[in-house]
Amino acid sequence: TQLLEQSPQFLSIQEGENLTVYCNSSSVFSSLQWYRQEPGEGPVLLVTVVTGGEVKKLKRLTFQFGDARKDSSLHITAAQPGDTGLYLCAGARAPNALNFGKGTSLLVTP
Amino acid sequence: DSGVTQTPKHLITATGQRVTLRCSPRSGDLSVYWYQQSLDQGLQFLIQYYNGEERAKGNILERFSAQQFPDLHSELNLSSLELGDSALYFCASSVSGGNTEAFFGQGTRLTVV
Repeated sequence: TQLLEQSPQFLSIQEGENLTVYCNSSSVFSSLQWYRQEPGEGPVLLVTVVTGGEVKKLKRLTFQFGDARKDSSLHITAAQPGDTGLYLCAGARAPNALNFGKGTSLLVTP
Repeated sequence: DSGVTQTPKHLITATGQRVTLRCSPRSGDLSVYWYQQSLDQGLQFLIQYYNGEERAKGNILERFSAQQFPDLHSELNLSSLELGDSALYFCASSVSGGNTEAFFGQGTRLTVV
């Protein structure tokens, strides 16, 4: 059973469009992280959110942690081809290691 | 560059064989995690070590084992390999063992033929 469900699974958009990907769970997490993974590479950490309701911005990326700390979203404004990749959310619940969702595969075409 | 080094990058082996994957964590990181990534299952947590001791176990098969050495590098041993073990194996490290931010290596792509 997947602890974290990500949607959509695949997303193909044109450069300049906005998009939101979601990460949902029935479990509460002490923190939630977003990673981006490119083909042939390991996941790279983008952000960690800790407080329920927290919003963090990283240039054109906006991350939000749900009030109940069970879900999160990632919004990208004016997507660029360089944003292409697999976006993974990962939840932390002590004492276990990070639990990852299956990811959203994003393709941004020029 | 995350600072986490994994070797080898690619490995092709036959069914029934045994292989060892190696990971050197970032300097100063005490915790090492092993993950398996396949197309259908996504990134699955296998096992975590913290300062040489096993800290947490995930979906690790009995045919698989790992250890962390005094110099903090870690090895993942996979034995009696099956076709279904073909996957990307990632090592990650973090400063502590308490679900802090993890830094991933580039992975080892294992192909069992």
